Amino acid sequence: QSVLTQPPSASGTPGQRVTISCSGSRSNIGSNTVHWYQQLPGTAPKLLIYSDNQRPSGVADRFSGSKSGTSASLAISGLQSEDEADYYCAAWDDSLTACVFGAGTRVTVL
Amino acid sequence: QVQLQESGPGLVKPSETLSLTCTVSGASISSGSYYWSWIRLPPGKGLEWIGYMSYSGISNYNPSLKSRVTISVDTSKNQFSLRLTSVTAADTAVYYCARGHGRRTVTTVTRDYYYGMDVWGQGTTVTVSS
Repeated sequence: QSVLTQPPSASGTPGQRVTISCSGSRSNIGSNTVHWYQQLPGTAPKLLIYSDNQRPSGVADRFSGSKSGTSASLAISGLQSEDEADYYCAAWDDSLTACVFGAGTRVTVL
Repeated sequence: QVQLQESGPGLVKPSETLSLTCTVSGASISSGSYYWSWIRLPPGKGLEWIGYMSYSGISNYNPSLKSRVTISVDTSKNQFSLRLTSVTAADTAVYYCARGHGRRTVTTVTRDYYYGMDVWGQGTTVTVSS
């Protein structure tokens, strides 16, 4: 059972907008910034979003992050076939003094 | 640019110790306030954070692994290492090293912040089996 809750799957057709939710609590998302990772099949995770809504250099602006209270979201606009991957949210948890991940959301492009 | 590379045995026997090393190239491990981190991906499951150690000695570990885990930094070799004792089949996973960003504030209380991991190694598969 993951500390952060994500839907196991999401899907869309090319060009659509897909949103992935990440629900936590006051000790993690409610008190700390959220980061998002993309893991393509057979590759290492890649940082997509940090500090709730900031994109590292080189990450397409189709990816955006937001946060409200104890929940966060990752949006992928203009969905492309190469976006098929597992997406994970993460945040620091003050109670556990540990970084916690969501269980991951598999995005499928139909 | 900074690159990380994991190395170590791919097969470990149950009850023994798993030891992995991450070699950092393109930057000094002692520069900047980075948190040198380990994460794993068990088969069929999601990412699990194992812990981190900074050059200055700040460390934190996953509570579920804390009694068995040690992360150390070797500045002379520009490497950091993971040691996990008393392994079982549940420790079978792809292990990743990564560069994390964080800070610690110390006032009347100590508070840790962790902002994410921006550089990752390619991962190494470790199987626990006799």
